Amino acid sequence: DAGITQSPRHKVTETGTPVTLRCHQTENHRYMYWYRQDPGHGLRLIHYSYGVKDTDKGEVSDGYSVSRSKTEDFLLTLESATSSQTSVYFCAISPGTSRTYNEQFFGPGTRLTVL
Amino acid sequence: DAKTTQPTSMDCAEGRAANLPCNHSTISGNEYVYWYRQIHSQGPQYIIHGLKNNETNEMASLIITEDRKSSTLILPHATLRDTAVYYCIVRVVRGNAGGTSYGKLTFGQGTILTVHP
Repeated sequence: DAGITQSPRHKVTETGTPVTLRCHQTENHRYMYWYRQDPGHGLRLIHYSYGVKDTDKGEVSDGYSVSRSKTEDFLLTLESATSSQTSVYFCAISPGTSRTYNEQFFGPGTRLTVL
Repeated sequence: DAKTTQPTSMDCAEGRAANLPCNHSTISGNEYVYWYRQIHSQGPQYIIHGLKNNETNEMASLIITEDRKSSTLILPHATLRDTAVYYCIVRVVRGNAGGTSYGKLTFGQGTILTVHP
């Protein structure tokens, strides 16, 4: 299994509070991604990173920011959490080589509840 | 990226082959077909991918029609642990490894495969 962990695994917070989710990898992969999964919507890409300090928006990036100061860590921040951000968040990594562009390895997920 | 169409759900008896279809009639010449699955409460898992030739690995086989408008994922001997949502994704593979748009996978609703005893 790919060395990818997410923390925390579960979090309950209140509306308006800041929240940071962490994704940590030990594979030295170039690409990292944050998805959210909600019933009826499947998995949707929030942000992704193609290198240290290189990030870009996905399809549902509003209300989220990311940072990647080193290869192994990709942080997802909800500056002011809202109830609509209650979801399961998955981090994924991929090597980004010419043969494995779209082969992503996913973490175990973080279940976030915003009250 | 081309749109895909999959059945909402399928059933399969344990030990039998599970054949999961995917329609991607608008696929273009440089788009690959990827399959992922997601077992309940876990992150998605990459299974296999292909361009135009049939592919096989330790998990599954992928059969792509000659016109590439559809494909079938085959689990040769399904087990109860194969019960999951299976996603078919069509995605271009960029020729420049330095590009920035890699891996922006779009997951649809997938097929819920239930393997029963």
